[in-house]
Amino acid sequence: AQTVTQSQPEMSVQEAETVTLSCTYDTSENNYYLFWYKQPPSRQMILVIRQEAYKQQNATENRFSVNFQKAAKSFSLKISDSQLGDTAMYFCAFNRENAGNMLTFGGGTRLMVKP
Amino acid sequence: DAGVTQSPTHLIKTRGQHVTLRCSPISGHKSVSWYQQVLGQGPQFIFQYYEKEERGRGNFPDRFSARQFPNYSSELNVNALLLGDSALYLCASSLSHSFSGNTIYFGEGSWLTVV
Repeated sequence: AQTVTQSQPEMSVQEAETVTLSCTYDTSENNYYLFWYKQPPSRQMILVIRQEAYKQQNATENRFSVNFQKAAKSFSLKISDSQLGDTAMYFCAFNRENAGNMLTFGGGTRLMVKP
Repeated sequence: DAGVTQSPTHLIKTRGQHVTLRCSPISGHKSVSWYQQVLGQGPQFIFQYYEKEERGRGNFPDRFSARQFPNYSSELNVNALLLGDSALYLCASSLSHSFSGNTIYFGEGSWLTVV
């Protein structure tokens, strides 16, 4: 079974600054996918970024980028130029290859962006 | 195009009662999955359905059941409700049950309160 751990229950950052959210996972699989989801107060999960384990290059999506360390089983999310709209819960999730919609989520990090 | 839609958005039930939650996937999506998110925690996988067949089940008791209809919509049923079943129930859809770069889309959830 896979486990996903987010060790930072809460974080805060000043608007326009950079923040990094941590995620570690445990698996015996070699091929898998990792995700960061954002859950604003509306409660709808929104995909922020995705990383395929077989790709060495770290994924980037505009202000969002990841630091994927496969050997260390670490998958951190960096948010640059933080905006007030980034305030939300952030969840790291693991998906085995060919496991469809079966995601294993971490416990989440509550991010507050301060003006 | 409409996203993943869930109904009802909020409901209150009494211990021992039964509840049915409904989900309509994004048009063209054939795979539907259900997650339970207890307040303050990450979502936990309950079921995945594809082409009306169960393709995966999480660690939930037999009181939880689901089904998928020919139009790919889905129902989650919970019998003999317990206080601990109080949670946000999320539905997610994707094109297929086999993850090959498919993005998983979530609905806004159904808030269930058991009193």
